[in-house]
Amino acid sequence: DTGVSQDPRHKITKRGQNVTFRCDPISEHNRLYWYRQTLGQGPEFLTYFQNEAQLEKSRLLSDRFSAERPKGSFSTLEIQRTEQGDSAMYLCASSSVGSLSNQPQHFGDGTRLSIL
Amino acid sequence: GENVEQHPSTLSVQEGDSAVIKCTYSDSASNYFPWYKQELGKGPQLIIDIRSNVGEKKDQRIAVTLNKTAKHFSLHITETQPEDSAVYFCAASKGNAGNMLTFGGGTRLMVKP
Repeated sequence: DTGVSQDPRHKITKRGQNVTFRCDPISEHNRLYWYRQTLGQGPEFLTYFQNEAQLEKSRLLSDRFSAERPKGSFSTLEIQRTEQGDSAMYLCASSSVGSLSNQPQHFGDGTRLSIL
Repeated sequence: GENVEQHPSTLSVQEGDSAVIKCTYSDSASNYFPWYKQELGKGPQLIIDIRSNVGEKKDQRIAVTLNKTAKHFSLHITETQPEDSAVYFCAASKGNAGNMLTFGGGTRLMVKP
C-alpha cells in the first residue's frame, strides 16, 4: 500500500493558462475523489468517480474544470483559463466501496496551485 | 446541503492535558463521521471515524462520541503530546464512508511541552 500519490506537488502558472493535475489512488480502490482546500479552511468536495464513471459533481466545479478517470485507475483534473481564485490546494482521495462495506477515504498530499 | 460547524478554531493545551474538539452537523441523514489530522504541507490523515449505529469509539488516546439526537460529535485526545500539534478536521457524510465528505472549518491544536 503506497498511498495516494499526486503530481505535481506544486504548480505556479500565469492567469489564463491551463493546468492539469494527476492522482494515482491506492491500488484496487474503486472510488476516487477530488477536493479543493483554501488556506485556513476545510477541504471542499469537487467530484468523485466510481471506477471510470463520474458519479457526482459539486456546483464548485465550473465549466472551466474537467476531471477524468479513463481506465478506472489514475485520474486527471484540468483547469482551463485559470483565474486568481483558483489558487488552492487540490486534494485527491480514494476508497474502496462495495456491497458489504464502505472503507474510509484516504488522502494524498495534494497539489498546491498558485496563480500569478 | 449538509453544513458542519467546528469549535474551537484554535486550542492550546499543556502536554499531558486532554483536548476536546466539537462539531455539529445539520443533515439528520448523515451517518458517517470521520476525523482527520493535517500537518503542514501534508494531506489530511484519517485518525478515527464513527458510524451512526454507535455512540462512542476509542483507539488508544483518541475517542469520538456521537449524539445523533443533538446532531453533534466530539473528538477527545487524552495525555496530549507535542506531536499531536496539528490542524484537526471533522467531517460528515451520507451513505456511510463512500460518499462526499462535508468538512468543518478545522481546529488548530497546539500542545505546549
